[in-house]
Amino acid sequence: NAGVTQTPKFQVLKTGQSMTLQCAQDMNHNSMYWYRQDPGMGLRLIYYSASEGTTDKGEVPNGYNVSRLNKREFSLRLESAAPSQTSVYFCASSDTDRGLTGELFFGEGSRLTVL
Amino acid sequence: KNEVEQSPQNLTAQEGEFITINCSYSVGISALHWLQQHPGGGIVSLFMLSSGKKKHGRLIATINIQEKHSSLHITASHPRDSAVYICAVRSYNTDKLIFGTGTRLQVFP
Repeated sequence: NAGVTQTPKFQVLKTGQSMTLQCAQDMNHNSMYWYRQDPGMGLRLIYYSASEGTTDKGEVPNGYNVSRLNKREFSLRLESAAPSQTSVYFCASSDTDRGLTGELFFGEGSRLTVL
Repeated sequence: KNEVEQSPQNLTAQEGEFITINCSYSVGISALHWLQQHPGGGIVSLFMLSSGKKKHGRLIATINIQEKHSSLHITASHPRDSAVYICAVRSYNTDKLIFGTGTRLQVFP
């Protein structure tokens, strides 16, 4: 019963390097999200995907790209990492169609440090 | 002003005490979530509610839609309840989640 799985859990990058955070859910949810969590701030939405093949920008999309190739997987890519992207990243999923539960399921987080 | 405000920001308690964490919001919502985040850990959903009251073990969540306010209560608190509790609302208009900044709870034996 895996729920939401995201990798890697930890990563250190140098400024300008690229990397992809992977996320997969096994609950057949339509909606998937990428958030970042910074000290003293609430979770902020980077991108979300309401269904397979669709993605939309959230509050803080600059410097990131996403890909929703299938219903299970939603990846987040940093093309040229910057120190301002040092953060903890969370992937989440839910069935948000009105009338369904809409409960949120989060991955364990990925701590990214950009030097 | 944030659309979701939690109070208090920090809370310390002795084991056994009754705990209340508050969440006020300013937008129309379709649902409100209470989440728990342990130090260094992931985020777990505790409750999702759109009206009334829900109870799970020692945790109780209430919501007053007219007053745009929700409370999370912990009865007979225990050190393992020490965590950050996060309130999040789903905007009725945009269907997006708006998060509070969390309440850090420490329960001492």
